[in-house]
Amino acid sequence: GAVVSQHPSRVICKSGTSVKIECRSLDFQATTMFWYRQFPKQSLMLMATSNEGSKATYEQGVEKDKFLINHASLTLSTLTVTSAHPEDSSFYICSAYKEGQNEKLFFGSGTQLSVL
Amino acid sequence: GNSVTQMEGPVTLSEEAFLTINCTYTATGYPSLFWYVQYPGEGLQLLLKATKADDKGSNKGFEATYRKETTSFHLEKGSVQVSDSAVYFCALSVGGSNYKLTFGKGTLLTVNP
Repeated sequence: GAVVSQHPSRVICKSGTSVKIECRSLDFQATTMFWYRQFPKQSLMLMATSNEGSKATYEQGVEKDKFLINHASLTLSTLTVTSAHPEDSSFYICSAYKEGQNEKLFFGSGTQLSVL
Repeated sequence: GNSVTQMEGPVTLSEEAFLTINCTYTATGYPSLFWYVQYPGEGLQLLLKATKADDKGSNKGFEATYRKETTSFHLEKGSVQVSDSAVYFCALSVGGSNYKLTFGKGTLLTVNP
């Protein structure tokens, strides 16, 4: 079946640094990818919809200048957390939408970000 | 707005026990309903779905029925196995097939031998 690879699975960084998370669709092209964030004991919250070749669409309350999304190819979307702070520590998950007869959403295994 | 409320975990059961994980929703419009499962170290996978009232989704022995009158989509399995240990997420989407999902908090299920 279709696979989505998310990297890294875990990252620890110092406050003020930037962290990039990659999401790749390995065997299909994805014009649309999604980024979610999950705080402990909370729901996965949609942060933004990443559209290949155009600007991402951010959900209300998500700072677009802090969470930079680049979907430069049909198989790769990146989320960069800029100037990370401890409150950005969270579990980030991506998903890629496979269009077609058997349209389906495939998820990465997530990235645990810890900002010290 | 849209929201999903699911049973707080964790849930711990013995093998072959009956499982119910409750899920209720509120939605603007007519939602499609989903259950996703996340096994340790893996990404979320679609377990089952239902797109209209009274539809029953089923897969791997799990079932859930779309109940519009009670705005519910409870997940059930008659006899759980150790391999069913995972986190289960109830979710909905509204307005087309772009799969813009609203999730519940997830319920951790542990099945002991």
